[in-house]
Amino acid sequence: EDKVVQSPLSLVVHEGDTVTLNCSYEVTNFRSLLWYKQEKKAPTFLFMLTSSGIEKKSGRLSSILDKKELSSILNITATQTGDSAIYLCAVEAGLGNTGKLIFGQGTTLQVKP
Amino acid sequence: DTEVTQTPKHLVMGMTNKKSLKCEQHMGHRAMYWYKQKAKKPPELMFVYSYEKLSINESVPSRFSPECPNSSLLNLHLHALQPEDSALYLCASSQAPGSPADTQYFGPGTRLTVL
Repeated sequence: EDKVVQSPLSLVVHEGDTVTLNCSYEVTNFRSLLWYKQEKKAPTFLFMLTSSGIEKKSGRLSSILDKKELSSILNITATQTGDSAIYLCAVEAGLGNTGKLIFGQGTTLQVKP
Repeated sequence: DTEVTQTPKHLVMGMTNKKSLKCEQHMGHRAMYWYKQKAKKPPELMFVYSYEKLSINESVPSRFSPECPNSSLLNLHLHALQPEDSALYLCASSQAPGSPADTQYFGPGTRLTVL
């Protein structure tokens, strides 16, 4: 059965700290891995990583896909209180172009002032 | 513009009511999705529409009935729901399953409470 596991499940840091969130997956026919940030409501898209794009960066956030280790990390440098959210990792996999995403449990990040 | 809109924002209904959730996108996406999210859990896929045709039904009970009237609209008709169906219902859209860089963009969700 396809599985996506995130760690840690929760994390508390202080402003200015750097954090690394982990996502590992066991799926058949991997297509892509996506990171989302969810605050009060909808998940907002951060990054998509595929075999042809294994590293992405946007401002203080960056992400790397390790296809050998079947994992990805999301780094946030110089954290701010506005980074407090649930970070979701999702993998698209399987036969056929279904668009089905398998989500991890999420990492809840709290950034204290 | 990566906006997906959903109405209503909140909905309270009794177990005998019939209601509908609506989702709209104007990004020219040809795939649309319904997810259910319970508190402190990740979203769970319910349905996928691809080119206005239902392509995935994740064994969802028949009291949930999806409808895709056109490529921009997605509805979820609700009838005879149970209290355990209370959740955040998220709609998402993407260019098309299998297309390069096919990213799903989520709407703000409808918070549903079933009494």
